[in-house]
Amino acid sequence: DTGVSQNPRHKITKRGQNVTFRCDPISEHNRLYWYRQTLGQGPEFLTYFQNEAQLEKSRLLSDRFSAERPKGSFSTLEIQRTEQGDSAMYLCASSLGLAGVEQYFGPGTRLTVT
Amino acid sequence: AQTVTQSQPEMSVQEAETVTLSCTYDTSESDYYLFWYKQPPSRQMILVIRQEAYKQQNATENRFSVNFQKAAKSFSLKISDSQLGDAAMYFCAYRRTNFGNEKLTFGTGTRLTIIP
Repeated sequence: DTGVSQNPRHKITKRGQNVTFRCDPISEHNRLYWYRQTLGQGPEFLTYFQNEAQLEKSRLLSDRFSAERPKGSFSTLEIQRTEQGDSAMYLCASSLGLAGVEQYFGPGTRLTVT
Repeated sequence: AQTVTQSQPEMSVQEAETVTLSCTYDTSESDYYLFWYKQPPSRQMILVIRQEAYKQQNATENRFSVNFQKAAKSFSLKISDSQLGDAAMYFCAYRRTNFGNEKLTFGTGTRLTIIP
């Protein structure tokens, strides 16, 4: 296992621009989760996938956010028309589904909106 | 909705000593999982220990152990023989056991400092 990887690790963008992050889960993990972590807070759930199906979305995920997992492997999280309030660490995690309780986290993508 | 509360924003302990981090949670469920995750500075979050609510026995992983009080909805983490590498943010987290309800709900974290 190479672990969960996320790219890019850091992203600085200007307000109003679109950004896309990528997450590669541990191979054979069919569950994939996105969380957002702001300074001084614990991670907050955004959405999760079982294979390619998006099963749940948080109310935090506004219309400007969209996540995909087209082939049930890697996932992308896109934020359109970024706002300063979107500045945060975006964490991805994966798990083995019903057989796996533990979620394995990636290093995160730190987004700064100027 | 489930909530997780960590009332200690910061804690410090002398190297080799023991420290206990507190966590309380609120749920109406009878079966669930509780976790302690560690997030070192600029590094990814890793699982320290987990507890299934149906198990009465407290979980233990080497120097890490928990005190799970289900009736009080309390889940504290004890770190024995603290080491410099234990310095990190520690998050308590809750998860329901139901299929399709697998998201983690985190507390706000406790920053642990180890004093050499």
